[in-house]
Amino acid sequence: NAGVTQTPKFRILKIGQSMTLQCTQDMNHNYMYWYRQDPGMGLKLIYYSVGAGITDKGEVPNGYNVSRSTTEDFPLRLELAAPSQTSVYFCASSRPGQGVSEAFFGQGTRLTVV
Amino acid sequence: QKEVEQNSGPLSVPEGAIASLNCTYSDRGSQSFFWYRQYSGKSPELIMSIYSNGDKEDGRFTAQLNKASQYVSLLIRDSQPSDSATYLCAVNPSGTYKYIFGTGTRLKVLA
Repeated sequence: NAGVTQTPKFRILKIGQSMTLQCTQDMNHNYMYWYRQDPGMGLKLIYYSVGAGITDKGEVPNGYNVSRSTTEDFPLRLELAAPSQTSVYFCASSRPGQGVSEAFFGQGTRLTVV
Repeated sequence: QKEVEQNSGPLSVPEGAIASLNCTYSDRGSQSFFWYRQYSGKSPELIMSIYSNGDKEDGRFTAQLNKASQYVSLLIRDSQPSDSATYLCAVNPSGTYKYIFGTGTRLKVLA
């Protein structure tokens, strides 16, 4: 049982490039989330999904896109990378309504845009 | 007003003392509340969850919730240097299962 797995762990992008951050979970959780964390700050919600085919914007969605074709996978797409997107990105999942509804986090992706 | 507010710290306490971490939230209908611990360079991990008014204890940790005052706190008894980390408060706003986080409080336990 791997939990929430993110790839890659580190990435350097040039301004204007695009990339996809991968996230997969093996806990059969219906809810999945993408957060970004800037230095010394808390977690800001980018997008979340309540199940396959359903996504919604969070607090800071601009510059990002998501899709959810399966229960397990929730990739985050950056189309035109900007220096403001330099951050640590965390994927998380949860299964509300099963008693404890905590979110479980992946190990993070550290992204630098230069 | 921010949805979830925490004092950024750092909060410094001597080893063996009680550390008290506080969090306020703006959505009066919020139902679920969480404390996460995050070590530098690592991902957040759950310490406590609380859903009802009052206290909830788990080992050295006690979470306290007061919905009337829109206030949730975390007490760490017998603080250890290994407790030095950033503590993040998170809330499920009413009607959703999003997790909205505060900016975190950095705790330093001095040996």
